[in-house]
Amino acid sequence: AQSVTQLDSHVSVSEGTPVLLRCNYSSSYSPSLFWYVQHPNKGLQLLLKYTSAATLVKGINGFEAEFKKSETSFHLTKPSAHMSDAAEYFCVVSDQYGGSQGNLIFGKGTKLSVKP
Amino acid sequence: DVKVTQSSRYLVKRTGEKVFLECVQDMDHENMFWYRQDPGLGLRLIYFSYDVKMKEKGDIPEGYSVSREKKERFSLILESASTNQTSMYLCASSPIRLAGMAKNIQYFGAGTRLSVL
Repeated sequence: AQSVTQLDSHVSVSEGTPVLLRCNYSSSYSPSLFWYVQHPNKGLQLLLKYTSAATLVKGINGFEAEFKKSETSFHLTKPSAHMSDAAEYFCVVSDQYGGSQGNLIFGKGTKLSVKP
Repeated sequence: DVKVTQSSRYLVKRTGEKVFLECVQDMDHENMFWYRQDPGLGLRLIYFSYDVKMKEKGDIPEGYSVSREKKERFSLILESASTNQTSMYLCASSPIRLAGMAKNIQYFGAGTRLSVL
């Protein structure tokens, strides 16, 4: 069975400082992993994805995530936060070789606040 | 760009009403999904469909049904709305999975915020 745990429900940083949003996963198969972002009153937008190629994945808006199999982690980072990064972020896992339709399992979300 | 359009951004209904939430995608995707999103619970899958007239229950199908008469359109139906169905509803679509490769990136609509009074 697959699951995903976002370790912080809320993270607050100052503008210009680094961002770290933590995610651990559990999967029986080689997983596909994603980060989605949701700005207030908007739908979800894909930030980046990992599908067993390079372990360091670069996404949009300067975000990146590193897949660490030994730690079953897929933490999201950004070197310098911007006010426009304030949003809710979802870590997502999907089975790659299972028999389902590639259904996604969502974490409960981390709300990122950015202070001026 | 993929476009997933949900017909209403905000909807207010009364307890016991029949409610239709409509979703249309323009990328010829085979798979379509309905989720509800509640604070602290993330997204939970209600139903999904991998082909016209096909449907599968997700994690929380009780109180909901769906219809997929055309490939581009996936409707969520609340037969008799209740206050505990007040939520944000998100529709998504994705292309079909290819053997040995996950093509399971989902594209989301902007959501419908439903209030049941």
